[in-house]
Amino acid sequence: QKEVEQNSGPLSVPEGAIASLNCTYSDRGSQSFFWYRQYSGKSPELIMSIYSNGDKEDGRFTAQLNKASQYVSLLIRDSQPSDSATYLCAVERAGNKLTFGGGTRVLVKP
Amino acid sequence: GAVVSQHPSRVICKSGTSVKIECRSLDFQATTMFWYRQFPKQSLMLMATSNEGSKATYEQGVEKDKFLINHASLTLSTLTVTSAHPEDSSFYICSARVPGLVGYEQFFGPGTRLTVL
Repeated sequence: QKEVEQNSGPLSVPEGAIASLNCTYSDRGSQSFFWYRQYSGKSPELIMSIYSNGDKEDGRFTAQLNKASQYVSLLIRDSQPSDSATYLCAVERAGNKLTFGGGTRVLVKP
Repeated sequence: GAVVSQHPSRVICKSGTSVKIECRSLDFQATTMFWYRQFPKQSLMLMATSNEGSKATYEQGVEKDKFLINHASLTLSTLTVTSAHPEDSSFYICSARVPGLVGYEQFFGPGTRLTVL
């Protein structure tokens, strides 16, 4: 079992719709969780961090964390073509190190 | 978010040469930086943790004598790929960990694309 798992996609979403991305992790002791966006050929950009169970909203993005189920999700509301990218889920482990999932490619179609 | 820069953004070198990549924190001090490598269509893999004033710690399988890391100041970490070979061609990205509103967050530099001929 991989430490951090994501569906590779592509997740195809019509413009204006909601994109829903999921991530599961194996280390039950993890406390810090992150979503990064990575455009092709570029480095990752932090879009959300979440540390406690529940929802966290920031603009069009909502992160959801359920530590009991070891599950993190990201919702992108009113998806725009500029949201087309790979979204990486990252979990912080011992030593303040991040373990990344394989990423989910999102395609927003006009 | 915190600003991290890297130089150069792109480098092409001949097999057997050494390449140095710089990672700088521009508006904050970073006692800890991280170096990652990303191959095409793969996710980021942590190579090493760079600690200011002490030796870097390497992930399993990463050759410390091949990938030399120096973190001589609170704003600069360097990665030197020694005797580079074509299989070292990759996207190298550094990050710095900084305190956020609730917990710590990692911000990435723009990356360095290395091509070894």
